[in-house]
Amino acid sequence: GESVGLHLPTLSVQEGDNSIINCAYSNSASDYFIWYKQESGKGPQFIIDIRSNMDKRQGQRVTVLLNKTVKHLSLQIAATQPGDSAVYFCAENRGFQKLVFGTGTRLLVSP
Amino acid sequence: DTAVSQTPKYLVTQMGNDKSIKCEQNLGHDTMYWYKQDSKKFLKIMFSYNNKELIINETVPNRFSPKSPDKAHLNLHINSLELGDSAVYFCASSHQGEETQYFGPGTRLLVL
Repeated sequence: GESVGLHLPTLSVQEGDNSIINCAYSNSASDYFIWYKQESGKGPQFIIDIRSNMDKRQGQRVTVLLNKTVKHLSLQIAATQPGDSAVYFCAENRGFQKLVFGTGTRLLVSP
Repeated sequence: DTAVSQTPKYLVTQMGNDKSIKCEQNLGHDTMYWYKQDSKKFLKIMFSYNNKELIINETVPNRFSPKSPDKAHLNLHINSLELGDSAVYFCASSHQGEETQYFGPGTRLLVL
């Protein structure tokens, strides 16, 4: 079946490094993708989104890249900080505002 | 001010009981959702309501019944609770036609 998934379940980085979290999707008809950050004991928090007519979008310290050819999505976090430690989810909009989430990647930032 | 709020935050109950979880949003959104997050952190949509009308109803047991008294509230009632219902339940909301959903803090349900 179609799914949204992540390559790495856990990513450990040092403070100040750049982090890259990857996501693969299989529904070529999806036209909208979104990244969420979930801290321990909290609900998912919107980080950044991108439409399929773009291949890159930048926010504050975060960049999302979309490669439609290989159905791949990535989230880059610059100068990672301890406060960035969380589980990160990619999600795709399957229509009617139905978001399908990936399995999540845990980011651990060491000081 | 809390944008999307849920009550209770924790719910521990016995198998077979009936329980409700409440959700309220003060963002002026007209679409609300319920998600279930299992022990492996997998997050899956259950229901969505737009202006009190059911839009999305995933393959969820009939024991789960959402109720929307107005567009700022979406409650989730669960009958005959089972062990497998133990999870974190998240409410979310959005503007109609906009993809960005804003999540509540979650309700941690434990069925014993």
